[in-house]
Amino acid sequence: DIQMAQSPSSLSASAGDRVTITCRASHDISNYLAWYQQKPGEAPKLLLYAVFRLETGVPSRFSGSGSGTEYTLTISGLQPEDFATYYCQQYSSRPYTFGPGTNLESK
Amino acid sequence: QVQLQESGPGLVKPSETLSLTCTVSGGSINNYYWSWIRQSPGKRLEWIGYIYYSGSTDYNPSLKSRVTISIDTSKTQFSLRLTSVTASDTAIYYCARELFSGDGFNIWGPGTMVIVSS
Repeated sequence: DIQMAQSPSSLSASAGDRVTITCRASHDISNYLAWYQQKPGEAPKLLLYAVFRLETGVPSRFSGSGSGTEYTLTISGLQPEDFATYYCQQYSSRPYTFGPGTNLESK
Repeated sequence: QVQLQESGPGLVKPSETLSLTCTVSGGSINNYYWSWIRQSPGKRLEWIGYIYYSGSTDYNPSLKSRVTISIDTSKTQFSLRLTSVTASDTAIYYCARELFSGDGFNIWGPGTMVIVSS
């Protein structure tokens, strides 16, 4: 299985800030990488896929980059509704695997 | 707009079989991969397996010996069976659909909590 790691595990920020979350894969996943946002009591929501492609309806303040084994999610100009947990997921090979999550909290 | 809804018992006894159904509404079940994903309390998301509308399946090796996913296209439903459950199978179970391109899961059900306890 491909193992996914995320850093940091938690992050405190303020509205308007720019934050970056890193995801590292144990093997090259060839850009088969998605990012999700999850709020308490809700299912995950797809934000980006194929590293940088925005899912329909997702604001452009979310962006992604990376290649090989290292990828980043950046949120530029945090909004109050962005405080949530973020997960990366590889779909390069099955079983699909997710990162442990990054909890983005309001400072 | 496609929506998914999980249904099934919220409490299952140890050693018994967990059975859940996902109903697809607002769109076709054809031409997509349909997955089950679970999230244990405080733990990361775990992909359980998927079924294609044609019936082909793939499962997470960690659960493969206990999992069966089936589909009923006439009812636009797919189902999960997990046998010989233990407390470690306690989780929120989600059904989800991959993007047509296979790039991630863009539609999820709200999830259903299943507790394994006597």
